[in-house]
Amino acid sequence: AQSVTQLGSHVSVSEGALVLLRCNYSSSVPPYLFWYVQYPNQGLQLLLKYTSAATLVKGINGFEAEFKKSETSFHLTKPSAHMSDAAEYFCAVSASGTYKYIFGTGTRLKVLA
Amino acid sequence: KAGVTQTPRYLIKTRGQQVTLSCSPISGHRSVSWYQQTPGQGLQFLFEYFSETQRNKGNFPGRFSGRQFSNSRSEMNVSTLELGDSALYLCASSPQQGPYGYTFGSGTRLTVV
Repeated sequence: AQSVTQLGSHVSVSEGALVLLRCNYSSSVPPYLFWYVQYPNQGLQLLLKYTSAATLVKGINGFEAEFKKSETSFHLTKPSAHMSDAAEYFCAVSASGTYKYIFGTGTRLKVLA
Repeated sequence: KAGVTQTPRYLIKTRGQQVTLSCSPISGHRSVSWYQQTPGQGLQFLFEYFSETQRNKGNFPGRFSGRQFSNSRSEMNVSTLELGDSALYLCASSPQQGPYGYTFGSGTRLTVV
């Protein structure tokens, strides 16, 4: 069975500061891991995905995430926050061979001017 | 390239009624999944279709059903609506079975009164 835990339902950072959103997963088989972003009244947009290739994954809008098997983590980072990054971010896991995603509860990112 | 299109965007129904939501995936995408998003339960998997066959089903009552047509368009139906069915219903598509990451539509906001 798979599960995802996102630590911190709300995170605030200053514009220009480092963004770090935490995601820990549990999976009995090698996982596929994803980060999605959701802006108000919109669907989810794929930021990046880990599918057992490189452990450091670069995504859109300057975001990246590192897969750490020993820590069962897939934290999302961005070196410098921008006001437009304010949104809700979801981590998701799926087991290889299935198409059911298990989503975390989401982290709402607030960027302070 | 057109994205995932969901219709209608907003819907208000009365308890006991039934509702049908529509999803047109990205052209060429054959896998379609449906998710329910609520403030209390977050994002929950409903079902996934590939080549007109339901491949996975989430833990929802039989009132929730879906289907996929030969052109990959999908519909989901909820019968005997309950107040708790009020949610954002998201459709997502992927090229085929595999770790491609889903592309989500903007969703249908269903309100049951």
